[in-house]
Amino acid sequence: EAGVTQSPTHLIKTRGQQATLRCSPISGHTSVYWYQQALGLGLQFLLWYDEGEERNRGNFPPRFSGRQFPNYSSELNVNALELEDSALYLCASTLMATMGTDTQYFGPGTRLTVL
Amino acid sequence: GENVEQHPSTLSVQEGDSAVIKCTYSDSASNYFPWYKQELGKGPQLIIDIRSNVGEKKDQRIAVTLNKTAKHFSLHITETQPEDSAVYFCAAQRKLTFGTGTRLTIIP
Repeated sequence: EAGVTQSPTHLIKTRGQQATLRCSPISGHTSVYWYQQALGLGLQFLLWYDEGEERNRGNFPPRFSGRQFPNYSSELNVNALELEDSALYLCASTLMATMGTDTQYFGPGTRLTVL
Repeated sequence: GENVEQHPSTLSVQEGDSAVIKCTYSDSASNYFPWYKQELGKGPQLIIDIRSNVGEKKDQRIAVTLNKTAKHFSLHITETQPEDSAVYFCAAQRKLTFGTGTRLTIIP
């Protein structure tokens, strides 16, 4: 069974640009979660999507947004990039749509560098 | 909101010894506590989890204990091996809150 996949592996942008990150969940999983992992810090919850809808978001500004497609894959968009957005962005999927009570399976992440 | 504190931030142990990592949480309604292992360049991988109706769970060399009254839970790794070297994260997952991680180094 294929795990969670993310693309691209690395992404380099300049300040003010937009970044788009992609995630494909495990087959059969309908919920997708996005996290930001800045260097030396833990995982910060960004967004949760299930069945195409945004179900919850963490304490991040509106320039962090995303969507979930009918095939349950997801996209994270970061507008007006700032230097402090440089981080590893992780995607996770779960089988059940109960936030916080189901096992999360993580992808390898996308390393975003903002210059 | 939920707050999860994890200690220590770094831990070095001799190969074969035991390692213990502790986390405390603030939300008494939290009921699911997973532990993740993150190796360099990879995403976190679940290694063990515990739910609030259980006090202890063991899987080979790894065990987790939960004290709901004191609101803390711990990861125990026995007979450590070099491949245990990684960053470990705890989580009080009801509010998707993670600890800040423990970098475990096993000294051969």
